[in-house]
Amino acid sequence: AQKITQTQPGMFVQEKEAVTLDCTYDTSDQSYGLFWYKQPSSGEMIFLIYQGSYDEQNATEGRYSLNFQKARKSANLVISASQLGDSAMYFCATLTLTGNQFYFGTGTSLTVIP
Amino acid sequence: DAGVIQSPRHEVTEMGQEVTLRCKLISGHNSLFWYRQTMMRGLELLIYFNNNVPIDDSGMPEDRFSAKMPNASFSTLKIQPSEPRDSAVYFCAILSRDRGYYGYTFGSGTRLTVV
Repeated sequence: AQKITQTQPGMFVQEKEAVTLDCTYDTSDQSYGLFWYKQPSSGEMIFLIYQGSYDEQNATEGRYSLNFQKARKSANLVISASQLGDSAMYFCATLTLTGNQFYFGTGTSLTVIP
Repeated sequence: DAGVIQSPRHEVTEMGQEVTLRCKLISGHNSLFWYRQTMMRGLELLIYFNNNVPIDDSGMPEDRFSAKMPNASFSTLKIQPSEPRDSAVYFCAILSRDRGYYGYTFGSGTRLTVV
């Protein structure tokens, strides 16, 4: 089984500043995908960004970028120019290509301060 | 969550009652997953289906929980009898390939409260 570790249960960031949410994973698979999801207080799970294990470049989606360090098994999410609407829980997840099951971290609660 | 519709959004029921959570897929999919989310345990996979067949139900907590997927567009999760510790948010999700990679699309969840 996979193990996903998010060491920051809660984070605060000033509006318009950048913030990095940490994620490390433990897998013996060679091919896998890394995902970040956002869960606002309304409860829905919103897909943010994806990184494939063979992708050489870090993934970017608007203000979101993924700092992928394969050797360290790290996939940190960077949010630039934080907005109040970014306040939410953020989950890191992996999906192996040998299976079709996601493994989720415990999440990081981000609060953006005006 | 345009592809996955869960109902009801909120459910409050008394202990001992039967509860049925529903998941409708706008277009049929081969793989469907039921998750439970609580503060204490985070996101837990309860069961997943592939081609309408339950593949792994090891996450189903007890015999009180059962799930069905009669066709590629619909699934139910039933709890009978319900208990207060079943209170949680229940999500269904589908695995689909988009933009060259597989990913999850979640429904909006059902918040269940058992009193």
